[in-house]
Amino acid sequence: RKEVEQDPGPFNVPEGATVAFNCTYSNSASQSFFWYRQDCRKEPKLLMSVYSSGNEDGRFTAQLNRASQYISLLIRDSKLSDSATYLCVVIHSSNTGKLIFGQGTTLQVKP
Amino acid sequence: GAGVSQSPRYKVAKRGQDVALRCDPISGHVSLFWYQQALGQGPEFLTYFQNEAQLDKSGLPSDRFFAERPEGSVSTLKIQRTQQEDSAVYLCASSLRSGPTSGRARNEQYFGPGTRLTVT
Repeated sequence: RKEVEQDPGPFNVPEGATVAFNCTYSNSASQSFFWYRQDCRKEPKLLMSVYSSGNEDGRFTAQLNRASQYISLLIRDSKLSDSATYLCVVIHSSNTGKLIFGQGTTLQVKP
Repeated sequence: GAGVSQSPRYKVAKRGQDVALRCDPISGHVSLFWYQQALGQGPEFLTYFQNEAQLDKSGLPSDRFFAERPEGSVSTLKIQRTQQEDSAVYLCASSLRSGPTSGRARNEQYFGPGTRLTVT
């Protein structure tokens, strides 16, 4: 069982739809949480950090539930340009900062 | 400004050959990470450098994999006697400081474009 689990999808949604991705992590030593975006054949790029209080960046909202070890990403008013793979990422409370990635969830937004 | 660069971008190797993959991090970045990404999977950690010191190599899959960063800037990942299961994208990332994030202080890792290795 992988340490960070995601539904690989794909999620196929029409433009303007709201879509939510979920992620669970198994190691309670996880201390920092992120969503990365990866376009096809490109490198991952940081989308947003995830905080316990929840945080929003434009159309994107991230939530963290430490008790359930669960992270979510909500995308409102989907755009064609949102089509990508979304990677859930955690960092342990160690001093290296290595990123532990989930498998990624693929989103395809259709016109 | 210049980001992380990697070379070559594509490498085809015959099984049993040795390969060397290069990473040029962002100038001044202390931390350097190597990750391996198999098709359809998320990246997996290989090794970590703080300046020239290799502080974590727990993710290297076998003793055929070796990494170095002798002067604390450019890094090379070497794979000896390549096998078909080594076929993957090898990603390098650098960050300004050492250590993970703390609170809302973000020590973001910036990724290079990767080297796509195909072993035939």
